[in-house]
Amino acid sequence: GQQVMQIPQYQHVQEGEDFTTYCNSSTTLSNIQWYKQRPGGHPVFLIQLVKSGEVKKQKRLTFQFGEAKKNSSLHITATQTTDVGTYFCAGPRPELSFGAGTTVTVRA
Amino acid sequence: DGGITQSPKYLFRKEGQNVTLSCEQNLNHDAMYWYRQDPGQGLRLIYYSQIVNDFQKGDIAEGYSVSREKKESFPLTVTSAQKNPTAFYLCASSIKQGSTEAFFGQGTRLTVV
Repeated sequence: GQQVMQIPQYQHVQEGEDFTTYCNSSTTLSNIQWYKQRPGGHPVFLIQLVKSGEVKKQKRLTFQFGEAKKNSSLHITATQTTDVGTYFCAGPRPELSFGAGTTVTVRA
Repeated sequence: DGGITQSPKYLFRKEGQNVTLSCEQNLNHDAMYWYRQDPGQGLRLIYYSQIVNDFQKGDIAEGYSVSREKKESFPLTVTSAQKNPTAFYLCASSIKQGSTEAFFGQGTRLTVV
């Protein structure tokens, strides 16, 4: 079945720097969701994108859905220690299928 | 409080024993899911259910079984046939399958010795 692929698997960031994580699907998605899992915790929903080319912002986080609805990105500006965790994208197959995640560590 | 509850948080079992993980939600959600997470890996789908008395296998269903007798409950049994059962198990629910936000329980960390 359709899988969503995420890159990079690990992201080591200096505090204050920006970074981007990417999510790609082999098939068109009706929507894509992003989740964050803090170390030792459970995934928590961040946002859902539905429209082609959609861009949504949450403070320092910017989420984008590609024009073809096959890829998405999460860009974080001015990384803080509170951004540590694993970020997952998920798409419907129709059941919710998760990417492998990007694990973010921050150097103070 | 509305939410999704998994119990217990930590579970230890001897090899060869079946064990059942509990998942209860009071969000009135139709869809429920079970995922397995291994260290440094993503979420792999074990089973999912769209409605009561109906469920489907996910990507790694072998060695697991589920039931959905009530809308609120979706227990997962890890059988002795599961070759490598030690993992972190996450239950989730959503209003509709795939198209709406999923809410996760706190997870159950199962260790088989």
